[in-house]
Amino acid sequence: DAGVIQSPRHEVTEMGQEVTLRCKPISGHDYLFWYRQTMMRGLELLIYFNNNVPIDDSGMPEDRFSAKMPNASFSTLKIQPSEPRDSAVYFCASSLSRGGWAGELFFGEGSRLTVL
Amino acid sequence: RKEVEQDPGPFNVPEGATVAFNCTYSNSASQSFFWYRQDCRKEPKLLMSVYSSGNEDGRFTAQLNRASQYISLLIRDSKLSDSATYLCVVNYGGATNKLIFGTGTLLAVQP
Repeated sequence: DAGVIQSPRHEVTEMGQEVTLRCKPISGHDYLFWYRQTMMRGLELLIYFNNNVPIDDSGMPEDRFSAKMPNASFSTLKIQPSEPRDSAVYFCASSLSRGGWAGELFFGEGSRLTVL
Repeated sequence: RKEVEQDPGPFNVPEGATVAFNCTYSNSASQSFFWYRQDCRKEPKLLMSVYSSGNEDGRFTAQLNRASQYISLLIRDSKLSDSATYLCVVNYGGATNKLIFGTGTLLAVQP
C-alpha cells in the first residue's frame, strides 16, 4: 500500500518566493497533520485537519503560512513570502481515528526546504 | 516550561546494555502518550503507545507516571540497530488530537 506521499522532496528557493508543499495522505485516513522539524526546535505541529476541516492551526507561525485540504486525498502548505528562517524539513502525517482519537501517525518522507 | 521535555543525550551505550529515557509533560489533562523512533534523515515512526498500566513489547518497556507527569522508555539488551532518536509524544490537553513531540533523545549503541 502507498504511504503518505509528499512533494517536492527537496526545494531550494530564494527569499521572497512562494513555496507550496503537497501531501497525499493514506487513503481512508481522516486526520492529517503538518509538522516542521528543525535542529533547534524539533518537530513542531503547525496545523491538523479532521475530515478535511482545520481543527487547530495555533502552531502556524504567522500569516505567511497557510494550509488547505480541499479533499480527503490532498493537502497543501503554502509559504508566501518565504524567509530564510523557514528552512526546515516539513512533514505531513495522516492517521485513522479510533474512537475519536487519532491513531498511529504515518509520516511522509518530508519536504526539505532551503530558503536562501 | 516546554510542553514535552526530553534529555537530548546523546546516550552512548555498549551493545547489550540496558538504557532508559524519561520524558516529562506539562499538561496534566493529557491522555495519550507514545514513543516514536526517528532514524537519521528519515521520518518518525511509531515505536509503541504508552498505557497507564505500563506495557512491554519485546525488549522495550514503557511506563507512565501520571502523578509526576513523566513517561519512560526502557530498552534492554541494546542492539546496534537501536541507534536512533527516540521521540516522546503527548496529546496536548484532554479530548484533543493535538499531538506534541519532544525534541528527542539520541541513542548511539556502540559495538
